[in-house]
Amino acid sequence: EAGVTQSPTHLIKTRGQQATLRCSPISGHTSVYWYQQALGLGLQFLLWYDEGEERNRGNFPPRFSGRQFPNYSSELNVNALELEDSALYLCASSLVLGGQETQYFGPGTRLLVL
Amino acid sequence: AQSVAQPEDQVNVAEGNPLTVKCTYSVSGNPYLFWYVQYPNRGLQFLLKYITGDNLVKGSYGFEAEFNKSQTSFHLKKPSALVSDSALYFCAVRDPQAGTALIFGKGTTLSVSS
Repeated sequence: EAGVTQSPTHLIKTRGQQATLRCSPISGHTSVYWYQQALGLGLQFLLWYDEGEERNRGNFPPRFSGRQFPNYSSELNVNALELEDSALYLCASSLVLGGQETQYFGPGTRLLVL
Repeated sequence: AQSVAQPEDQVNVAEGNPLTVKCTYSVSGNPYLFWYVQYPNRGLQFLLKYITGDNLVKGSYGFEAEFNKSQTSFHLKKPSALVSDSALYFCAVRDPQAGTALIFGKGTTLSVSS
């Protein structure tokens, strides 16, 4: 069974540009989560999508946005990139089982903002 | 507010010795607790979780964790460490106020020497 996949693996942008990151969940999973792993800041929750809807977002500005497609894949958009957006962006997927579900992570997209 | 603490940035053990990676948590209700491992330049791999029931949870690669409600701890353990266990370990708790997003500790680097 294929795991969570993310593309691209690496992305280099300059300040002010927009970045688009993509995630394909495990087959059968309806929920997708996005996390940011920045140096010195640990893993922080960004966004949660389930059944095509944004269910919750973490403490990030509105320039971080995304969507979930009918096939449950998802994309994360980061507008007006800032240097501090440089980080590893991890996507996870799961079924929703009342909070008991396990989130399975993809390999991540490493974003570098110059 | 829910939180997770991993009090040790780094744990060093010799191969063949038992290892413990510590985690304490703070949640308002019943916690759902998770351990993940991250190898260099990789995503997170799920090791084990505690939802309810037996306080000793067994997981992947010979790891286990003990849930202690009175001490609000969920320490990760392995009877005999391998050099290949060297990685970054994250403890996480489910935050019911953020849907099913996970709150992660800062991570503990485990170094196993031969």
